[in-house]
Amino acid sequence: AQSVSQHNHHVILSEAASLELGCNYSYGGTVNLFWYVQYPGQHLQLLLKYFSGDPLVKGIKGFEAEFIKSKFSFNLRKPSVQWSDTAEYFCAVNSGGGADGLTFGKGTHLIIQP
Amino acid sequence: NAGVMQNPRHLVRRRGQEARLRCSPMKGHSHVYWYRQLPEEGLKFMVYLQKENIIDESGMPKERFSAEFPKEGPSILRIQQVVRGDSAAYFCASSSNTRLTNEQFFGPGTRLTVL
Repeated sequence: AQSVSQHNHHVILSEAASLELGCNYSYGGTVNLFWYVQYPGQHLQLLLKYFSGDPLVKGIKGFEAEFIKSKFSFNLRKPSVQWSDTAEYFCAVNSGGGADGLTFGKGTHLIIQP
Repeated sequence: NAGVMQNPRHLVRRRGQEARLRCSPMKGHSHVYWYRQLPEEGLKFMVYLQKENIIDESGMPKERFSAEFPKEGPSILRIQQVVRGDSAAYFCASSSNTRLTNEQFFGPGTRLTVL
C-alpha cells in the first residue's frame, strides 16, 4: 500500500524567506507525484506534478519540486515566498498507471508573515 | 469551461438520516473520484468511477456508503443512516480519459455535519 509523509504540519515564515516542504512516499513501484495547494476558502489546485523525465519539476507561481528516487522524496521549494502563499499544501502520489486514486499526505499549513 | 461542481456545499443531517452528495465533473471528463477529509487529516481516497462503472472502491466503507456515476447526470455519493463520525468534507475530483498525463481537478467540496 502507498503512504505519504509530510514532515511539517505547520510552518511559519517571513516574506522573502526560502521555502522547502518535505514529502516522502512509500511505494515499491513506479509512481506519479503531485503537490496540491488549498488557499483559504478555496478548493484544491494543482501546483505541479511529476510523471517521468526531468526530476526537477517547475510548477505555477514560482514553485518547483525535485523527485529523488533513492530517497523516495518529492520536496517542494520556492526561493522567495510571498504573503499570498499562505495556504495548506498537500503532497500526493498514485501508481504509475496514472488513473488511480491519489494517496495524500496530511498536509502542511504554511503561514507567511508580512 | 466550468470546473468540477459539487452540491450542496454544506449539508446537515441528523443521525440515522441519509446524505446524498452530488458531483458534476468537468466537461469532457469521464473519470470521477471521491475523497473524504476528516479534521486535521489529509484527503483519503474512497472510490473511483467511470461512466456506469465502479473501478476501485477500496477506500470506501463496506457498509452504508455507496457511489454511482450514471450515464446521464452527476455522480452521487450516498451515505445511509449517517453517524457523527461521518462528519467531514467530501471532495470530488474528475479527470479526462488520458492515462499518460492524468491530472485530477477538484471540486469545492461538500461539508457534511451530522448532529
